[in-house]
Amino acid sequence: QSVLTQPPSASGTPGQSVTISCSGSSSNIGSKTVNWYQQLPGTAPKLLIYSNNQRPSGVPDRFSGSKSGTSASLAISGLQSEDEADYYCAAWDDSLNGVVFGGGTKLTVL
Amino acid sequence: EVQLVQSGAEVKKPGESLRISCKGSGYSFTSYWINWVRQMPGKGLEWMGRIDPSDSYTNYSPSFQGHVTISADKSISTAYLQWSSLKASDTAMYYCASGIAVAGSSMDVWGKGTTVTVSS
Repeated sequence: QSVLTQPPSASGTPGQSVTISCSGSSSNIGSKTVNWYQQLPGTAPKLLIYSNNQRPSGVPDRFSGSKSGTSASLAISGLQSEDEADYYCAAWDDSLNGVVFGGGTKLTVL
Repeated sequence: EVQLVQSGAEVKKPGESLRISCKGSGYSFTSYWINWVRQMPGKGLEWMGRIDPSDSYTNYSPSFQGHVTISADKSISTAYLQWSSLKASDTAMYYCASGIAVAGSSMDVWGKGTTVTVSS
């Protein structure tokens, strides 16, 4: 059971927009910034969003992040086939004194 | 180029010991934490712990405390993850990662991973 809660799956067709949610608590998302990672099949995770809504260099602006209270969201617009991957939210947790991940959301592009 | 290079795949028997490595290059190794992340077959990411290479201060996830040891040798810019007695349940992919160009607990540089297989 992951500390952060994500839906196990999401889907959309090319060109559509999709949103993935991430729910936590006051000891993590409620008081710390949220990061999002993309893991393509057979590869290492890649940082997609950091500090709630910041994109590292090279990440397309089709990807955006937001946070409100103890929840966060990753939005992907203009869905492309290459976006098919697993997406994980993560944050520091003050109670556990460490990083906690969501269980991951498998995005399928239909 | 900033990179973390991990050691190769390992196949071990239950009860054996193991140490895998993660070598940083292209940046100041002692300036950034090195994290270790586990991914069991078909499962999600789990943070195991991290080390500050400048002084080898560590903190562990409660789930992994006492089961693994994280260490570092700053003279060769290398961090380690080790087990004294492996179990079949340690079979997984292990990643090292660091947050170098980003703020907070985020990790923007990842190694390619080390596969550990424990089987009798």
